[in-house]
Amino acid sequence: DSGVTQTPKHLITATGQRVTLRCSPRSGDLSVYWYQQSLDQGLQFLIQYYNGEERAKGNILERFSAQQFPDLHSELNLSSLELGDSALYFCASSVRGSGGPDTQYFGPGTRLTVL
Amino acid sequence: AQSVTQPDIHITVSEGASLELRCNYSYGATPYLFWYVQSPGQGLQLLLKYFSGDTLVQGIKGFEAEFKRSQSSFNLRKPSVHWSDAAEYFCAVGITGANNLFFGTGTRLTVIP
Repeated sequence: DSGVTQTPKHLITATGQRVTLRCSPRSGDLSVYWYQQSLDQGLQFLIQYYNGEERAKGNILERFSAQQFPDLHSELNLSSLELGDSALYFCASSVRGSGGPDTQYFGPGTRLTVL
Repeated sequence: AQSVTQPDIHITVSEGASLELRCNYSYGATPYLFWYVQSPGQGLQLLLKYFSGDTLVQGIKGFEAEFKRSQSSFNLRKPSVHWSDAAEYFCAVGITGANNLFFGTGTRLTVIP
């Protein structure tokens, strides 16, 4: 158990809908990262928040957004869902935001299925 | 651009045999290197990491990895594989100036009795 929690574990929804994925980092970690794992793209970095502020952006679609709250949990919002958004979404956390080597610990993931 | 290559998509080994999973990276400076394991339906578990210092690092579950700067490699090894090691293994690279990890495409390990 990494100490990173994600809910829900599974999510099934229809095209065009909007969903919210939730992540709680390890105690003491200030950074939260979101990754998408799909069969065709592999593991891709989406976005990072550090202590409530966006720190880095990767291949995140405009239909997707995230935020980190004062208690440091984070939510990833996916809207206007398409079939291709079906994937495993991971949250990871680390102590620092940047500036050197840091270890990311991953949660169990949320499997999103868009029908 | 940074890239991480895991040349073996799928490896099958017998239980008790030794294992080596390959990982090569492309990056100008010394990266930070990680191996993660993903069991079916599970998240990514950190096996080991290299930041600096001794180039042979020990991890959990009896795994070790060796950083070879001249070959831009960070191969994962285990002297004797157990059936419970069957999983997907990912090599990941972190670099100065980028906060995220860059992942390889993974190597799926099958262990046969």
